[in-house]
Amino acid sequence: SAVISQKPSRDICQRGTSLTIQCQVDSQVTMMFWYRQQPGQSLTLIATANQGSEATYESGFVIDKFPISRPNLTFSTLTVSNMSPEDSSIYLCSVRSGSSYNEQFFGPGTRLTVL
Amino acid sequence: AQKITQTQPGMFVQEKEAVTLDCTYDTSDPSYGLFWYKQPSSGEMIFLIYQGSYDQQNATEGRYSLNFQKARKSANLVISASQLGDSAMYFCAMREGGFQKLVFGTGTRLLVSP
Repeated sequence: SAVISQKPSRDICQRGTSLTIQCQVDSQVTMMFWYRQQPGQSLTLIATANQGSEATYESGFVIDKFPISRPNLTFSTLTVSNMSPEDSSIYLCSVRSGSSYNEQFFGPGTRLTVL
Repeated sequence: AQKITQTQPGMFVQEKEAVTLDCTYDTSDPSYGLFWYKQPSSGEMIFLIYQGSYDQQNATEGRYSLNFQKARKSANLVISASQLGDSAMYFCAMREGGFQKLVFGTGTRLLVSP
């Protein structure tokens, strides 16, 4: 299984500021996924990041608000821009892995609180 | 329509007993995968088990097994011999064949008592 790390693990930010979350995987992967989990809710996919191309965003998420970088096959960043309290969530990075490429693993998450 | 339905907001079980967490799904795609994750209070999502729609046998991983009933579109998670450390939120999720994203259910909170 893939080992995924994220930085920071948690942060408290002021509204109007931006935070960049880093995701590092211990193996090369084609696609990396960014999910959001709002308080008391389930997970929702924000975007899929492919190396060398623009990220693909899900309905309701836009690049200006959640810019993503994917400079190589083991690393990605998600920026939460111009934050408001509604952005307070856990943000999780995820990759497909496993012997048959069917399994999907998540990083430990970044717990963001916006004041 | 909900793609993944978890009807049990909370479940209680005594230590060492078995527990079944329910999950039903809705898809017309013949190729799909079903997942179960455990989320402790720390917030991480721990992969437990995967079942492919074409898999002939029910998936098992240690104390976890997936009771896959394709005709009923259900994919219940069975945890045998519950432990105190099993107390957490459990999410069922599905990935349909042509798509990359996982769609999650609303989760079931499991509490294991001594």
